Amino acid sequence: GAGVSQSPSNKVTEKGKDVELRCDPISGHTALYWYRQRLGQGLEFLIYFQGNSAPDKSGLPSDRFSAERTGESVSTLTIQRTQQEDSAVYLCASSPQGWGDYGYTFGSGTRLTVV
Amino acid sequence: GESVGLHLPTLSVQEGDNSIINCAYSNSASDYFIWYKQESGKGPQFIIDIRSNMDKRQGQRVTVLLNKTVKHLSLQIAATQPGDSAVYFCAENMGGGGNKLTFGTGTQLKVEL
Repeated sequence: GAGVSQSPSNKVTEKGKDVELRCDPISGHTALYWYRQRLGQGLEFLIYFQGNSAPDKSGLPSDRFSAERTGESVSTLTIQRTQQEDSAVYLCASSPQGWGDYGYTFGSGTRLTVV
Repeated sequence: GESVGLHLPTLSVQEGDNSIINCAYSNSASDYFIWYKQESGKGPQFIIDIRSNMDKRQGQRVTVLLNKTVKHLSLQIAATQPGDSAVYFCAENMGGGGNKLTFGTGTQLKVEL
């Protein structure tokens, strides 16, 4: 597609439930990133996929968080046993192999609310 | 640890004035910097970038200045318009071959009519 697509745009879930967030990157972009943004705060790095290399998981806050990516396409971020502190906007971005002149392209995010 | 931070959390300017948003970074190994604009309910949008071998880069109505001596980055917006109202983030890539960006907290720019 023309941009990075994320779904759902909004998700309300009960504490303790599992959620899956989806990201469709720009076609041809080999790198894909997940960030978390709490209300009124900056972007917190979660995980980074680059081609067939092992993902950089250094930002995942706990073992309840995991992510997968199929080849150079769709990625799914899974949060198990959600907690209220998981409430945030989860942003996905993609970029080509090199930086180019535009860094990342972000999706509009999934707003997760844990009640 | 290393971090990117912004000097001013909120900046209010009159329409038509120039805006300057500042950012301090602490990692001398950072080799690439980007400014993003984020409007309410949207993902961050690329504005302008600069590599560490440059000290100035200009775009349409925007200029980024990099001072490596004091590890300072600024974004200048000329003739600020109401549509410029947003949160602005600086981000740095710490080199080492990866493409991971570290973002600052953000500055809210408010344009007053």
